[in-house]
Amino acid sequence: GAVVSQHPSWVICKSGTSVKIECRSLDFQATTMFWYRQFPKQSLMLMATSNEGSKATYEQGVEKDKFLINHASLTLSTLTVTSAHPEDSSFYICSPNGQGVLDSSYNEQFFGPGTRLTVL
Amino acid sequence: GNSVTQMEGPVTLSEEAFLTINCTYTATGYPSLFWYVQYPGEGLQLLLKATKADDKGSNKGFEATYRKETTSFHLEKGSVQVSDSAVYFCALTKNQAGTALIFGKGTTLSVSS
Repeated sequence: GAVVSQHPSWVICKSGTSVKIECRSLDFQATTMFWYRQFPKQSLMLMATSNEGSKATYEQGVEKDKFLINHASLTLSTLTVTSAHPEDSSFYICSPNGQGVLDSSYNEQFFGPGTRLTVL
Repeated sequence: GNSVTQMEGPVTLSEEAFLTINCTYTATGYPSLFWYVQYPGEGLQLLLKATKADDKGSNKGFEATYRKETTSFHLEKGSVQVSDSAVYFCALTKNQAGTALIFGKGTTLSVSS
């Protein structure tokens, strides 16, 4: 399967600070990126969808000014949690979708290992 | 919109027992259906999928059949192992065109030897 990395894997920050999470697709071109969040012992909830080079589309109830998404290249997308608060503490997971570099017929959705954010 | 309902756990079984985790869905059109597994400390991994009615997905001894008449995609395994202990998520595509997924709440499976 595809290799997807997220950095950092976990982060602890003070309330009011901003945190940037990177998601890289290492062996295929991610034309679309989905960002999910997962609260403890709960399901993944889609936050937003972004296409390379264009603005992200946010799900209802997700503040676009709080969760800034940048998808400037086919291999990198970032999620910035601005002015984080304790209620933003969660597990954030990226999911790139695209075509394999070697096999253009390959079109499967993979998931990053996640980033655990704890806001004190 | 599309939604999925998954049986709540935890499910506790002895090794070699039969496993069923129920999953039903509500959808417009013809979504693709998936089972994902999340092992402790790891990311989500695709376990199996089915893209149309009556398709059977299978992998590592797990099976699930896309039942349009009952809108179900139950996960089964004939003989579980301790290494199968994980959280299992049923999911379907959000809509026909996109590939964003709607996930069930997850079912924790614990297998003891």
